[in-house]
This record gives sequence, structure tokens and C-alpha cells, in this order.
Amino acid sequence: EAQVTQNPRYLITVTGKKLTVTCSQNMNHEYMSWYRQDPGLGLRQIYYSMNVEVTDKGDVPEGYKVSRKEKRNFPLILESPSPNQTSLYFCASSLLRTANYGYTFGSGTRLTVV
Amino acid sequence: AQKVTQAQTEISVVEKEDVTLDCVYETRDTTYYLFWYKQPPSGELVFLIRRNSFDEQNEISGRYSWNFQKSTSSFNFTITASQVVDSAVYFCALSEAGEETSGSRLTFGEGTQLTVNP
Repeated sequence: EAQVTQNPRYLITVTGKKLTVTCSQNMNHEYMSWYRQDPGLGLRQIYYSMNVEVTDKGDVPEGYKVSRKEKRNFPLILESPSPNQTSLYFCASSLLRTANYGYTFGSGTRLTVV
Repeated sequence: AQKVTQAQTEISVVEKEDVTLDCVYETRDTTYYLFWYKQPPSGELVFLIRRNSFDEQNEISGRYSWNFQKSTSSFNFTITASQVVDSAVYFCALSEAGEETSGSRLTFGEGTQLTVNP
């Protein structure tokens, strides 16, 4: 089944403890991206990648890192999480290097930082 | 810069009522794409429709219909004879065609929480 897989689905962590949210797609998609969803703000893009070893900042990149060493994987790294990073996170992918055909989204990761 | 506004934060209706969710967008491009996504209580994002800027025909899919009006920069979504299962957050989104190297992205509105009561 063609899909974007995120793990974990739920995560509670403490301030400052490094964590990684994994994202993998099995569709050979070029484009991958991370979004965060917060009440009243909709979804905002954190980082995106148009190809292996090519990543770029979205609208809210502060406090996050990403890497794209393989085409299928695009992990999101929080080196020192803070409570304001408590949010619902979505990984997304697209066949082409454009969002014009929409994205395939993962199921989401609900992160709580205490 | 592209922007999407969904002014209705929450809407509550009684089952079988019709309901319209508003979406207003801003873009400088003449070629762009508009989307609607549904987020049920389970949290996943479900694609509903994609429309390009050159196609202003309204679209109907079962109880769902979309009204695209370039003159008012709106892409409104109507659910006819709403059902409890329609309860969800609905997002409108915009993508500017741009150049491939610029890395076009989906810009989302704030979302509208629709509650359909029995």
C-alpha cells in the first residue's frame, strides 16, 4: 500500500531531551515536507526537501532540524525540545518537486513537551 | 506571498442542514491550485478536491460541492444534507505553480471546525 509512515503517533517528552520523529514513504516521491498544526493557525510548513541531500526552511524552522540522506526517509529532529513545540506534526510527500498535485500525508505525530 | 483565510472558526449545524465553509485566498500568480482537506476526529488529513485556477466550473461530488470564483478569490465548500459523520475540521489550501526549483508548497488556512449534531 502506498503510504507515508510516521512514528511515533504519540510522544510525551521533557524539555531539552533530544528526539527524532521518523517519516518514510514508499512511493518514490521526490518531495517531502514537515508541517505542524496548531489550533487557530492551521498547518504551517517547517522544512521541506526537493531531493536527496537538498533541504530548505519553511515558515517555522526554528528549533528543528531535518535530513534527507535517502529518498524515502525524512526525519524531523528536535535537538532541545521546548513546550512551545507541543503540537501535531505531519509529514507529507509529493511525486513531483511541486505541491501542485497535493500531498500524501502521514497519520500525524502528537508531541507533548513538558 | 500566498495566503488563505478561513474566517469561520467553528460552525455547528443540525443533521440534514446544508452548510457552506468559506475560503478566501490571496496570490499574485495567475496559475495556482486550490485544495480542500478533511481532518476527522481521528486526526488524519483526507484529500477532498483539487482545482486549478483556469477551471472555474463548479464541481459536485455526491453531497459535496465547490464554488470557485476568481473574481472574489474564493473557493467555498458546501455540504448538502449534512450528516454526523461530516463532523471534522476542514482545511482550504493553496499552491502557487511557480518554478520547480522554487519548491512550491501548500499554504493552509486556519481550518473550520464543523460539528453536525443529530
